[in-house]
Amino acid sequence: EVQLVEAGGGLVQPGGSLRLSCTTSGFTFSRAWMTWVRQAPGKGLEWVGNIKFDGNEKYYVDSVRGRFTISRDNAKNSFYLQMNNLRVEDTAVYYCAKIFDDSDGYWGQGTLVTVSS
Amino acid sequence: SYELTQPSSVSVSPGQTARITCSGDMLAKRYARWFQQKPGQAPVLVIYKDTERPSGIPERFSGSTSGTTVTLTISGALIEDDADYYCYCAVDNTWFFGGGTRLTVL
Repeated sequence: EVQLVEAGGGLVQPGGSLRLSCTTSGFTFSRAWMTWVRQAPGKGLEWVGNIKFDGNEKYYVDSVRGRFTISRDNAKNSFYLQMNNLRVEDTAVYYCAKIFDDSDGYWGQGTLVTVSS
Repeated sequence: SYELTQPSSVSVSPGQTARITCSGDMLAKRYARWFQQKPGQAPVLVIYKDTERPSGIPERFSGSTSGTTVTLTISGALIEDDADYYCYCAVDNTWFFGGGTRLTVL
């Protein structure tokens, strides 16, 4: 059974940093592209970014490029979202997901990030 | 810039057929997926590759495509299908969600 578990959410001040982690199981992580998606309160889903299975390719939505970095550790079956220079508009539930391939549809339970002074 | 356009809301009575559309130029060349999301829960995949249904998803869920529009159809909608639905597609290493459709079954 595919499982994804996020951790690391919380309250942070504008301009601050936070690192989210996603620990996975139930599939061959080292062969999988992985994805971060977020959902602001009362809003729709927004793709944040992807990372290739070997970590050598990463893609981001324009609004986070240069501030957020996705990385992974295949030995730990985990990947991460480093968020710097956080803004109020980054407040959202952040989901890690295995949704890159056409038939994929696996999500974590989400972790809330609140950016507020 | 690409985008996927969905109606903001659709309403049906129980037992009726609900149809939710998603439009965007990329859909003419790329597969779409549909996710269902209920309040406080993670999304669930209900259709992939435009028309395929994952195991465990009821047969009343189906997908179709025509040109730059994909459609999610729920035949004989149930109260439990009351949820938000999002289409999802990728082009040029960028992934897009539609704005979401609130399906009310009442």
